[in-house]
Amino acid sequence: DQQVKQNSPSLSVQEGRISILNCDYTNSMFDYFLWYKKYPAEGPTFLISISSIKDKNEDGRFTVFLNKSAKHLSLHIVPSQPGDSAVYFCAASKPYNQGGKLIFGQGTELSVKP
Amino acid sequence: DGGITQSPKYLFRKEGQNVTLSCEQNLNHDAMYWYRQDPGQGLRLIYYSQIVNDFQKGDIAEGYSVSREKKESFPLTVTSAQKNPTAFYLCASSIRDNSYNEQFFGPGTRLTVL
Repeated sequence: DQQVKQNSPSLSVQEGRISILNCDYTNSMFDYFLWYKKYPAEGPTFLISISSIKDKNEDGRFTVFLNKSAKHLSLHIVPSQPGDSAVYFCAASKPYNQGGKLIFGQGTELSVKP
Repeated sequence: DGGITQSPKYLFRKEGQNVTLSCEQNLNHDAMYWYRQDPGQGLRLIYYSQIVNDFQKGDIAEGYSVSREKKESFPLTVTSAQKNPTAFYLCASSIRDNSYNEQFFGPGTRLTVL
């Protein structure tokens, strides 16, 4: 049972345009969400996170939006740069007293074309 | 220069042999984790440890074993009981076993069983 889903395995965007990566989840108990970026043959690096009490969090070119009623979050990258080309994983977590472990989606491979 | 190291980066073993993957961190983190990544899938939790001499099974612990004798080290043994051991293995650590704390990942070990 995939509790966190990234339905688009890949996304191609032109440099300078907006990249939108989507993530859906099924468990309403998740209360914290994270995005990680991963280059081939490397470990993921933390990008941005959002608590369920917020609906938006922004950090430079990266913004994460959370729609709790739809159980959906998205990562916006504006403007996209070739160096953003990587696999992006979303992850969700239940409160610590309910297990608190990260559940990862399958990942979306972003390709930013010059 | 703080971080997480995993060695070796590539590992080949014959079917039926046990193999141990190394993970060391000098971040003074309490919690450490092992994940497995397969093509088209997200990261799946194998084992985690909150403190020295204590560890818990994750979602896919069968065929694996761990130890946590030192705070800095969390080696993973892939035993011959693991049916599909070929994968990319990632080690991570965090300040506490709380997903609100960012997990830092190592560079990974790609294990190929021939």
